[in-house]
Amino acid sequence: EAGVTQFPSHSVIEKGQTVTLRCDPISGHDNLYWYRRVMGKEIKFLLHFVKESKQDESGMPNNRFLAERTGGTYSTLKVQPAELEDSGVYFCASRQSGRGTYNEQFFGPGTRLTVL
Amino acid sequence: DAKTTQPTSMDCAEGRAANLPCNHSTISGNEYVYWYRQIHSQGPQYIIHGLKNNETNEMASLIITEDRKSSTLILPHATLRDTAVYYCIVRVRNDYKLSFGAGTTVTVRA
Repeated sequence: EAGVTQFPSHSVIEKGQTVTLRCDPISGHDNLYWYRRVMGKEIKFLLHFVKESKQDESGMPNNRFLAERTGGTYSTLKVQPAELEDSGVYFCASRQSGRGTYNEQFFGPGTRLTVL
Repeated sequence: DAKTTQPTSMDCAEGRAANLPCNHSTISGNEYVYWYRQIHSQGPQYIIHGLKNNETNEMASLIITEDRKSSTLILPHATLRDTAVYYCIVRVRNDYKLSFGAGTTVTVRA
């Protein structure tokens, strides 16, 4: 079974440009999470989707960040316009609803974003 | 705000058990103790979790003190591939978002 995949693995853009990160969750996982680690900081929660609905977006830093999950499958995280402080690694995780070990979050490898 | 306290780093000899401590003195009754790890250049990986009983799976064992204010993750036979940052996380029941702290950098040496 394929794990969580993220694209691209690395993105280098200039300040002011737009970047879109994509996450493909594990098939059948209703829950999708975005996290990020900016330079020198800890991994922080950004938001949580249940299917196509935003369940919790309390961690989104500002309105330059827009997350979508059309059709409840893959998700995109757009940063527009990107700022220097947005540089870091963006992780996506998915989780199957319910209880048990296999209902925990499975993380993708992350997208490393560098804003110059 | 960090709810857990972990040592910054520790070394472990290959083949020996690695015991990773975590303090969570303010944990409440509806909060679980979770452990994740992050191997270099990969995403975090779930290891184990518990509420109040000790737990064991194919990766590790989790020992939680009776007062639930601290716990220990045990890797029974550490290998070089266990070198990673290990995160102890307290999570509220029914709220699956994770709050990562700085973790413990574990280096397994041959």
